[in-house]
Amino acid sequence: GAGVSQSPSNKVTEKGKDVELRCDPISGHTALYWYRQRLGQGLEFLIYFQGNSAPDKSGLPSDRFSAERTGESVSTLTIQRTQQEDSAVYLCASSLEADSSLGYTFGSGTRLTVV
Amino acid sequence: GDSVTQMEGPVTLSEEAFLTINCTYTATGYPSLFWYVQYPGEGLQLLLKATKADDKGSNKGFEATYRKETTSFHLEKGSVQVSDSAVYFCALSDNFGNEKLTFGTGTRLTIIP
Repeated sequence: GAGVSQSPSNKVTEKGKDVELRCDPISGHTALYWYRQRLGQGLEFLIYFQGNSAPDKSGLPSDRFSAERTGESVSTLTIQRTQQEDSAVYLCASSLEADSSLGYTFGSGTRLTVV
Repeated sequence: GDSVTQMEGPVTLSEEAFLTINCTYTATGYPSLFWYVQYPGEGLQLLLKATKADDKGSNKGFEATYRKETTSFHLEKGSVQVSDSAVYFCALSDNFGNEKLTFGTGTRLTIIP
């Protein structure tokens, strides 16, 4: 597609429920990144994919968080047993290669609210 | 670890005013530096970048110079427009084969006619 698409744009969930966030990168972009932004804070790196593999999972905050990517395209970020501190905007970005100097293209994000 | 500190907002200016948004960084080695912008309702997009000391990045009338001696990358524009209203993020990449970006907290800029 023309840009990075994320869905849903907004999600309200009850504490303890699982949620799945979806990212459709730009066609042909091999690298895909997940970040989150809590209120009043900077963007926090979560994970990135080169193709379908994730060389760097260091940013995932706990084992409740997981992500996968298939077909070098769509990625899903799953948060199990959500907690209130998971409330944030989750941003996905893609780039032609895993080279940050090229610049990322970001989606508009998914705003997750855990009540 | 790496970190980016940028001036807190919100910043409100009149049209045609001069803009400076300060950004300083802490990193080992020689990072690449970036400014990203997020317009209302849109995703972040790369505004400009500089990959080595004394480089000047520029785009859409905005400029920022990579100052290694002061570890800074301040964003400037000589005459802002209403359409520049957005949130601006300073970021760095440590260039050690680690492709993640470290971002500042963002500065919300509002330009009034």
